[in-house]
Amino acid sequence: GQQVMQIPQYQHVQEGEDFTTYCNSSTTLSNIQWYKQRPGGHPVFLIQLVKSGEVKKQKRLTFQFGEAKKNSSLHITATQTTDVGTYFCAGPLTGGSYIPTFGRGTSLIVHP
Amino acid sequence: KAGVTQTPRYLIKTRGQQVTLSCSPISGHRSVSWYQQTPGQGLQFLFEYFSETQRNKGNFPGRFSGRQFSNSRSEMNVSTLELGDSALYLCASSLGRASGNTIYFGEGSWLTVV
Repeated sequence: GQQVMQIPQYQHVQEGEDFTTYCNSSTTLSNIQWYKQRPGGHPVFLIQLVKSGEVKKQKRLTFQFGEAKKNSSLHITATQTTDVGTYFCAGPLTGGSYIPTFGRGTSLIVHP
Repeated sequence: KAGVTQTPRYLIKTRGQQVTLSCSPISGHRSVSWYQQTPGQGLQFLFEYFSETQRNKGNFPGRFSGRQFSNSRSEMNVSTLELGDSALYLCASSLGRASGNTIYFGEGSWLTVV
């Protein structure tokens, strides 16, 4: 199946600073999904990107899908303590499958 | 509508025992997937069921099995438990179609093997 690598593993920021996590694949992805998992919680679907070069925004969150569809990023502007959690990217299990296979995630710690 | 429900939420088992975990998907969802989450390995895909058939399978030993019933409810079973099976087991449901598909996770079942 497809494998996605995610960096960094951890990121500490001061409240108000920006945050970015990156996701890379050695193969072209038909789609990429992003999830957020709060401490002690379960992953929650944030968004799916499908098109080359696609950019989507959700309030302070900006998601990008690379032109080659091999990488993606999530950028959070002006972090808040409510942004704390682990952010996962997920590529399809195989080909055009909708079953996500997850990266290791980036744990965001926001210091007030 | 009700979300994905997993039972039990917490359980402790002894090495060598077996365990069955249950998942009720969102009403109308026909696809149920199972994942194992551990600090060292992250979220790993176990298997996916759609309309009572296993459609995809991850790289786990045969001790891990599952099934889906006609009402889309699913169970997973782990036999001959090992210490390394201690993990959060997550169930996810979806409509099961390729496009416009959102995956919804349950709160998980925390399994501790002692």
